[in-house]
Amino acid sequence: DAMVIQNPRYQVTQFGKPVTLSCSQTLNHNVMYWYQQKSSQAPKLLFHYYDKDFNNEADTPDNFQSRRPNTSFCFLDIRSPGLGDAAMYLCATSKQIATNEKLFFGSGTQLSVL
Amino acid sequence: AQSVSQHNHHVILSEAASLELGCNYSYGGTVNLFWYVQYPGQHLQLLLKYFSGDPLVKGIKGFEAEFIKSKFSFNLRKPSVQWSDTAEYFCALHSADTGRRALTFGSGTRLQVQP
Repeated sequence: DAMVIQNPRYQVTQFGKPVTLSCSQTLNHNVMYWYQQKSSQAPKLLFHYYDKDFNNEADTPDNFQSRRPNTSFCFLDIRSPGLGDAAMYLCATSKQIATNEKLFFGSGTQLSVL
Repeated sequence: AQSVSQHNHHVILSEAASLELGCNYSYGGTVNLFWYVQYPGQHLQLLLKYFSGDPLVKGIKGFEAEFIKSKFSFNLRKPSVQWSDTAEYFCALHSADTGRRALTFGSGTRLQVQP
């Protein structure tokens, strides 16, 4: 009964070739997050949506964009992937942005850049 | 800026051994603290959380964590680990009074329990 679903599980792209990762949720949560996790490092927040309100982290490169066409879906677009963008990308949701809210994570998409 | 440190990157224990994973944070204000776990091949999931009240928090699967404000710590403990506890454990912080809307994670501790 997956509640936060990420596709694909593994994605291989070429240097500079745009790629889109997808996330869907069945929880009807207001907030959706994208985290980047490189090997042996902490998950790092890229941006989040509260409903349709987009919130970018200050240090997220312009190369990363996101779309949320409806409550259920959120996409991560990498316009020109570089070798340094190879990482696990985690989607998460929460009902609200209260500080004690539990996050629900997807299984992640492992991105490789050749 | 807030940060979370997990100094043990990889811990190997035998079954029935006691576990303590360290988590220290850097932030001077009010905090909410979490431990998330990621079992092999699965997604991150919440193990336990602290945001007020009793500083000793009990979570799922026999885990507990103690918030010690004076030490800026939130260590995770389990008296007797099982092979099924093999996973990666992440400590995370949310500062309650900065308006920052997302968790700050530590880099994780990989726990390997040998049968």
